[in-house]
Amino acid sequence: ETGVTQTPRHLVMGMTNKKSLKCEQHLGHNAMYWYKQSAKKPLELMFVYSLEERVENNSVPSRFSPECPNSSHLFLHLHTLQPEDSALYLCASSQDREYTEAFFGQGTRLTVV
Amino acid sequence: GQNIDQPTEMTATEGAIVQINCTYQTSGFNGLFWYQQHAGEAPTFLSYNVLDGLEEKGRFSSFLSRSKGYSYLLLKELQMKDSASYLCAVRDIRSNDYKLSFGAGTTVTVRA
Repeated sequence: ETGVTQTPRHLVMGMTNKKSLKCEQHLGHNAMYWYKQSAKKPLELMFVYSLEERVENNSVPSRFSPECPNSSHLFLHLHTLQPEDSALYLCASSQDREYTEAFFGQGTRLTVV
Repeated sequence: GQNIDQPTEMTATEGAIVQINCTYQTSGFNGLFWYQQHAGEAPTFLSYNVLDGLEEKGRFSSFLSRSKGYSYLLLKELQMKDSASYLCAVRDIRSNDYKLSFGAGTTVTVRA
């Protein structure tokens, strides 16, 4: 248990669906991150929020839309995804952006059909 | 961006030692991290190096040479539970912004 909780753990969605991934941390951290992990590929940083403000968007397609309503919660809204978006989506948090340790959630295994 | 290279797979015997190398190229180095990830689980933090030298933490040690762009993770007295993927990640600073990039990971298989 890392203190970072993601739901759902598994999600299957059609290309026309709209769904949301949720991440919650109660570690008192100020920075939260979304990563994408595809098979045999490096973890790709998607979005960074620091003090609830988006500070980084790494050229992620607009079909992925993040939301950070408060410092403990982070969402990733999904719509009109493609099969190549199937991957493990990981949320992480850290005290701040100069952290020496980040804590990851268990991830959501997303399959787009 | 960073180029982070680590071997894809390594196999070792229970009780042995394994060294996982990581090389990187970056312009504003600000720390190197090692994470362990068991299949289907979250990555968990193992070590952080920002200065040259060896950091020892129980059975795991991590080494950094900034001038060579090189790090290794040393796993001693291997146990079956050490079978996992080991991720090398490098953080650098560009334009007062932090960037963290991961290698593709090294899958370590420990055999009895």
